[in-house]
Amino acid sequence: KQEVTQIPAALSVPEGENLVLNCSFTDSAIYNLQWFRQDPGKGLTSLLLIQSSQREQTSGRLNASLDKSSGRSTLYIAASQPGDSATYLCAVHGSGNTGKLIFGQGTTLQVKP
Amino acid sequence: NAGVTQTPKFQVLKTGQSMTLQCAQDMNHNSMYWYRQDPGMGLRLIYYSASEGTTDKGEVPNGYNVSRLNKREFSLRLESAAPSQTSVYFCASTRENGASGYTFGSGTRLTVV
Repeated sequence: KQEVTQIPAALSVPEGENLVLNCSFTDSAIYNLQWFRQDPGKGLTSLLLIQSSQREQTSGRLNASLDKSSGRSTLYIAASQPGDSATYLCAVHGSGNTGKLIFGQGTTLQVKP
Repeated sequence: NAGVTQTPKFQVLKTGQSMTLQCAQDMNHNSMYWYRQDPGMGLRLIYYSASEGTTDKGEVPNGYNVSRLNKREFSLRLESAAPSQTSVYFCASTRENGASGYTFGSGTRLTVV
């Protein structure tokens, strides 16, 4: 059974820092991995999607990497801003054909001005 | 705006009452999903519909029923609401088995008293 773990559960940093959020998964047979952002009381916003054949994806100040063999993904946020404060969720899509996502518990990030 | 639309956004039910959560997507996606999100439990799959005309149970289906009304619409029904069903419910869709990533609705916050 696929399990997804995100470390740390919470993170507080001063504005301007570069930071890394970690995601690990137990079954390397994945189709793709998706990072989401969730603001308090809101829905999930897709940040980056990495296919199993890719090593990384970039969008603005965000960079996500994928190492399928070791079961790890990282989300790198450059030059963090208070507006980046949110919960970041990692979700893995298994290699079956049902399209089900398995989520980690999330990392809650606070960026202090 | 294109995306996944959920109604209602908030609902309070008394124990034993029934209700239907509505979800519609306008992206011509084949697959649709219902998740619930609870503190400390993360997002868990309730039911999904891999394609129009099919539905399957997810991780936590007890107490729920679903209907894939057509390609656009996927509803979730609580026949006899219980306090344990107090949660935030998210609908999601994807084009074909998750290859293009998932789009989530903004959620329905349900309280059962």
